[in-house]
Amino acid sequence: GAGVSQSPSNKVTEKGKDVELRCDPISGHTALYWYRQRLGQGLEFLIYFQGNSAPDKSGLPSDRFSAERTGESVSTLTIQRTQQEDSAVYLCASSLREANYGYTFGSGTRLTVV
Amino acid sequence: KNEVEQSPQNLTAQEGEFITINCSYSVGISALHWLQQHPGGGIVSLFMLSSGKKKHGRLIATINIQEKHSSLHITASHPRDSAVYICAVRKLGSGGGADGLTFGKGTHLIIQP
Repeated sequence: GAGVSQSPSNKVTEKGKDVELRCDPISGHTALYWYRQRLGQGLEFLIYFQGNSAPDKSGLPSDRFSAERTGESVSTLTIQRTQQEDSAVYLCASSLREANYGYTFGSGTRLTVV
Repeated sequence: KNEVEQSPQNLTAQEGEFITINCSYSVGISALHWLQQHPGGGIVSLFMLSSGKKKHGRLIATINIQEKHSSLHITASHPRDSAVYICAVRKLGSGGGADGLTFGKGTHLIIQP
């Protein structure tokens, strides 16, 4: 597609439930990043995919968070047993390759855990 | 101390004023990005710099690698420029994208008519 597409745009879930967030990167972009932005905070790196290499999961805050990517296309971020502190905007970005290429961000998924 | 510092945190100006937002960083970098985040969360990549100066419309971005400093300027500011402007750096040695970008906390700009 023309841009990075994320779905859903908004998600309200009850504490303890699992959620799945989806990111469709720009076709041909091999690098894909997930970031989180809590209210009033800066962006936090979560996970990075590059082609078929093993993902860099160093930013995932707990083992409740996991992400997958099918080849060089769609990625899903799963949060199990959601907690209120998981409430944030989850942003996905893709780029043509890693290192020094411009990023394109999706419009994000606003997750609210009640 | 944060590796990327922005100033000011908040800036309110009148339409037409010349705006400067500053970014200082304390690590070696291979590139610096300026991003614009509108209310509602959408982020747009404005510039990617590794040296010198870039211009796009009313926006100008400069970087001084020796001083580890970058500025974003907006000429003839307009209320539609109201947004959060975020500076982000790609650290040297993070080839392979090990940790993506390191972000500043952003500058909240309001342009009043």
